[in-house]
Amino acid sequence: ILNVEQSPQSLHVQEGDSTNFTCSFPSSNFYALHWYRWETAKSPEALFVMTLNGDEKKKGRISATLNTKEGYSYLYIKGSQPEDSATYLCAFTDGNNRLAFGKGNQVVVIP
Amino acid sequence: NAGVTQTPKFRILKIGQSMTLQCTQDMNHNYMYWYRQDPGMGLKLIYYSVGAGITDKGEVPNGYNVSRSTTEDFPLRLELAAPSQTSVYFCASSEGSGGLNEQFFGPGTRLTVL
Repeated sequence: ILNVEQSPQSLHVQEGDSTNFTCSFPSSNFYALHWYRWETAKSPEALFVMTLNGDEKKKGRISATLNTKEGYSYLYIKGSQPEDSATYLCAFTDGNNRLAFGKGNQVVVIP
Repeated sequence: NAGVTQTPKFRILKIGQSMTLQCTQDMNHNYMYWYRQDPGMGLKLIYYSVGAGITDKGEVPNGYNVSRSTTEDFPLRLELAAPSQTSVYFCASSEGSGGLNEQFFGPGTRLTVL
């Protein structure tokens, strides 16, 4: 069983503030890490696919970094807006193509 | 382009009943997946398929069966429903291996077993 941990489980952010949260995964046999955005009553949608140590990806005000040697990825939201309220899932894939999702970081942006 | 569709959206089953959750994708993806999501838990992989005629077990396959006779369809079968199978079920597909390719998810089926 692959252990993928996301912290904090939930967080409330004031509109306009920036925030970040963590996905931890096994540091050995890394293959890829995905971030998904999951809005209430909708399906998860892909944000980033990251494969290389040191990778940084950005989409609008959301960005992510990857450290495969120590087994973590950070997701950052700059200047949070109410529409950023969602659960952010990370999914780890190892070299044997085994896939595991974390429980998610639930973000609530307070207007 | 509908993407990934699932039917039904909601279903209530009695213990011991059987049912099939339907999943169809129109993106010509080879890889398809079934997940379940329980409250407070992450998505758990039930079964997956890398192409028509090929299926394999995921992390939590007990109590379920799948088939993949066509590229488009990947139905999930519950033979003897149990309360532990109360969950939200998501079907997903990807162009290639889920490692490097993003997965596209369906809207989910909320199943309650009483």
